[in-house]
Amino acid sequence: GENVEQHPSTLSVQEGDSAVIKCTYSDSASNYFPWYKQELGKRPQLIIDIRSNVGEKKDQRIAVTLNKTAKHFSLHITETQPEDSAVYFCAAIASKIIFGSGTRLSIQP
Amino acid sequence: EAGVTQFPSHSVIEKGQTVTLRCDPISGHDNLYWYRRVMGKEIKFLLHFVKESKQDESGMPNNRFLAERTGGTYSTLKVQPAELEDSGVYFCASSRSESSTDTQYFGPGTRLTVL
Repeated sequence: GENVEQHPSTLSVQEGDSAVIKCTYSDSASNYFPWYKQELGKRPQLIIDIRSNVGEKKDQRIAVTLNKTAKHFSLHITETQPEDSAVYFCAAIASKIIFGSGTRLSIQP
Repeated sequence: EAGVTQFPSHSVIEKGQTVTLRCDPISGHDNLYWYRRVMGKEIKFLLHFVKESKQDESGMPNNRFLAERTGGTYSTLKVQPAELEDSGVYFCASSRSESSTDTQYFGPGTRLTVL
């Protein structure tokens, strides 16, 4: 079946450094790629998304890139802060949403 | 605007028992989704309601799971009888339109533990 692979599963970075999370999807019909952030004990929340007709999108310290040919998309967080610590899920949507397995990001002070 | 709510937040039951999870979507959202996350793995789609109709239930693991949305408002997900592998966090989400690209708003989840 269709799937989304997400790497790494855990990521620890020093406060102020950048973090990158990568996802690969299998369904070439996927045309929408949201990213969700789930803080400890809270609900997953959409933080940024990108559509297949765009290669890159930025919102303050976070950015997403999409390479449709390679079926890769990535989340980039710059100048990381303690409040960025959370589990991040990528997803790819064709007819339904397929999530990655999540990345636990820890920001070390 | 009130968010998606789920009840209970936690449930611990023994194998063979029955559990019913409830989801209240955002008011006015016709689309309601159920998902499950087994520890450390991906959030997996279970099913999708449009109003009271099951649009897609291809993710339901087996016939021990029954989802309903009578009246097209809140939804329940019943597991009967529960098995050990049913443990995980069950999320509900809702969206206004049926478009697959419409933002889905998640509830806080119900953590189910089957002993």
